[in-house]
Formats: sequence, C-alpha cells, structure tokens
Amino acid sequence: GAGVSQSPSNKVTEKGKDVELRCDPISGHTALYWYRQSLGQGLEFLIYFQGNSAPDKSGLPSDRFSAERTGGSVSTLTIQRTQQEDSAVYLCASSPRAGVGLYEQYFGPGTRLTVT
Amino acid sequence: KNQVEQSPQSLIILEGKNCTLQCNYTVSPFSNLRWYKQDTGRGPVSLTIMTFSENTKSNGRYTATLDADTKQSSLHITASQLSDSASYICVVSALGFGNEKLTFGTGTRLTIIP
Repeated sequence: GAGVSQSPSNKVTEKGKDVELRCDPISGHTALYWYRQSLGQGLEFLIYFQGNSAPDKSGLPSDRFSAERTGGSVSTLTIQRTQQEDSAVYLCASSPRAGVGLYEQYFGPGTRLTVT
Repeated sequence: KNQVEQSPQSLIILEGKNCTLQCNYTVSPFSNLRWYKQDTGRGPVSLTIMTFSENTKSNGRYTATLDADTKQSSLHITASQLSDSASYICVVSALGFGNEKLTFGTGTRLTIIP
C-alpha cells in the first residue's frame, strides 16, 4: 500500500517568508509525528498528533512553528518568518497509534527546506 | 538529559565484509531501542526493535544486540552489499506520560565499496 508522502520534496524560500509543509500519513494511522533533521544532527522531535487528543507540541523550537492535522489525516507544518537556521530536512512519520508499546513509525521521504 | 551516541561516525568497508556499529545511550526510563536505515534522500526505515528483555534480534543480514545493563547496543551487518550503503541510526525510546519519547543518535554513515 501507499506509504507516507510529503510535499514539496524541496523548498527554497527567502528569509522572512512563511512556508507550509504537507504530510499525508498512511491511511488508518492515528498517530502522526513531525521531526527535523539538520545537517550532522540527529532527528529532533517537533510535534505529534494522536487521534482527537491535544497535540504534544513540546518539541517546537519557537512560536514561529505550528502544525495542524485536519480530519485526523493530512497534516501541515507551518513555519512563519523563516530564518536561515530553519534550513533542514523535515520528516513526517505515522504510526498505527502512539503511546507505550512497540508501535512502528513509518517515515516519509522528507521535505528539504533551504532558507536563503 | 537523554542522549544516544553512535560510533563510528563513518565507516568504509569492502563489499562482502562484515561490520559492527555501536550505540551507547543514557535514556531513562528505557522502553525500547530501534535501529533504522536511512538511504540518502529518503526517510528512515526500521530494521529492528528490541525491549530491555531482548538480547539479540535479527533481520536478514542485520543482527542487533542489546545490553540493558551497560546501556549499549550494536548492529552487525554480515556479508555486506553495495545496497547497504546508508546511514544507520540508533533510536532509544523513553517512557513518557502517555507517549514514548524517541531520542535519535546522529547515525553512522556506512559506505560499501566494490
């Protein structure tokens, strides 16, 4: 079946502009995660959604970052007033559910964001 | 602070040879440890998941070990193939309040040469 998809695959934007990154999770997966992978760094957790519960936003680095998940499916990560340090690969993952347990996370190919 | 350290940072080996990648972690309370393979330009793909009670788990030519006492894990690749060239990421899960918190290592970049 279809895996996690993300769009765009690459995004170049000017400093100060807003960007929106999209994630389509695997159908039926209730948990959705956003991560950031900077050059030479490990993946950094940003935010996660589980069903209708309030999202865990504890990883968002600043109030310029926000995310929504509409209808329990598609998610959009928005970065306002982008800065050069926002340049990274943004990865989305989905899971059958979240919580304690060995629930596999399936990753999308990522969106490479470059802020000039 | 939860941390995952991997070594070596990079490794180059000849096709057909074996290799072992290392992972040390300080994550508490421990839930499980995962190894992922990430090809260039792609998202990570899971290789193994182990709980504290598991010492070893295999997935084809990949064998992961876990020593929960010393907080160390290794990933052994047997009879390497060119397609094994990728980054291998160790990920440790900590129990949270209703959610697991994953801590990612920075990965080992493995290159297989013919």
